[in-house]
Amino acid sequence: ELKVEQNPLFLSMQEGKNYTIYCNYSTTSDRLYWYRQDPGKSLESLFVLLSNGAVKQEGRLMASLDTKARLSTLHITAAVHDLSATYFCALRGDYKLSFGAGTTVTVRA
Amino acid sequence: KAGVTQTPRYLIKTRGQQVTLSCSPISGHRSVSWYQQTPGQGLQFLFEYFSETQRNKGNFPGRFSGRQFSNSRSEMNVSTLELGDSALYLCASRSAGGALSGELFFGEGSRLTVL
Repeated sequence: ELKVEQNPLFLSMQEGKNYTIYCNYSTTSDRLYWYRQDPGKSLESLFVLLSNGAVKQEGRLMASLDTKARLSTLHITAAVHDLSATYFCALRGDYKLSFGAGTTVTVRA
Repeated sequence: KAGVTQTPRYLIKTRGQQVTLSCSPISGHRSVSWYQQTPGQGLQFLFEYFSETQRNKGNFPGRFSGRQFSNSRSEMNVSTLELGDSALYLCASRSAGGALSGELFFGEGSRLTVL
């Protein structure tokens, strides 16, 4: 069974600094997803990573995938308050997504 | 383009009752999946449907059931509700081709409270 481990589970960020969220997984998958969830809201798709070495960037967020290490990272550059949310990675296999536990990010001034 | 639509958005039921949740996928999407989100268990897979066929089912008791109609709309039903069924139920639809192939789009969810 595919297991997905995210760390850290909680991340307190200072505005303007850089941080990384890690997503490790146990078996191969054909695609990895990153989602953002605001409190009481649904999941917003951030990135879909399909192949080894894939890197995608949107604003202050950059996601990368290393299939050999079974690791994806979500890098946050110069954190701002608007990035406060919970971030999930998920992998697709056997017609379903397996989600990590989520990383709750709080950005402080 | 309309997104994934889930109804109802909020509902309160009592133990022992049953509930039906509805999901209309993005136009043209034939794959619909359901997930349960709770603070304790996180996001857990319930079902996935494609062209009215259930392709996978998560590890939930038989009280949880679902179906998909010919227009790709999907429903899930929970019978004999228990307190632990209180959760946010999320529906997602997936494109099968094109530039966004494989990307899942989630609805706003149906928040169920069981008293």
